[in-house]
Amino acid sequence: AIQLTQSPSSLSASVGDRVTITCRVNQGISSDLAWYQQKPGKPPKLLIYDASTLETGVPSRFSGSGSGTEFTFTISSLQPEDFATYYCQQFNSYPHYSFGQGTKLE
Amino acid sequence: EVQLVQSGADVKKPGESLKISCKASGYRFTSYWIGWVRQMPGKGLEWMGIIWPGDSDTAYSPSFQGQVTISADKSISTAYLQWSSLKASDSAMYYCARHGRHCNISTCLDYNGMDVWGQGTTVLVSS
Repeated sequence: AIQLTQSPSSLSASVGDRVTITCRVNQGISSDLAWYQQKPGKPPKLLIYDASTLETGVPSRFSGSGSGTEFTFTISSLQPEDFATYYCQQFNSYPHYSFGQGTKLE
Repeated sequence: EVQLVQSGADVKKPGESLKISCKASGYRFTSYWIGWVRQMPGKGLEWMGIIWPGDSDTAYSPSFQGQVTISADKSISTAYLQWSSLKASDSAMYYCARHGRHCNISTCLDYNGMDVWGQGTTVLVSS
């Protein structure tokens, strides 16, 4: 089974900081990866799909990169509304589109 | 507006059955995959399975195979997740979500992301 490991699991940052989260996969998945933001009590929100494509309406301070087994999610300048938990999800292994364990940004 | 609206919270006893729903609107229901995701209290997201409402083609994550049933009724644009015998460990928030797709005049192509999410359904199983 494809496993996704996010690092760090939690991250302390301040408004204006540049923040980077890594998602490592135990086998190559090309660019079949998405990133989501989830705030408490809310469903996840798609931010990035196909590893690096910004979802419509998502601010450009969010970006994604990588392919194969290592992926990076970056917030270029952290805003107050960005404090949340972030997840990666792979779409390479149908039908088990597994998630990373999440990174809590606080 | 594209929306997935889920049924309300439910409280059940162990051994009882349950069927929760996810009603789609604002798009062609039969042309997009719908997935289900579990989130246990204070925990991360877990992928459960997926259905193509056009023909009810369904596939499950190995962890959930045999534990739940995913179905759809295209006449009312609604997907379902059901249990025949609930356990306390089924207590969680459950989300439905649409698999994103780009379409032009002649063709559609899935992209790698779940672009629309329901608001979630809380299931509590307790004696």
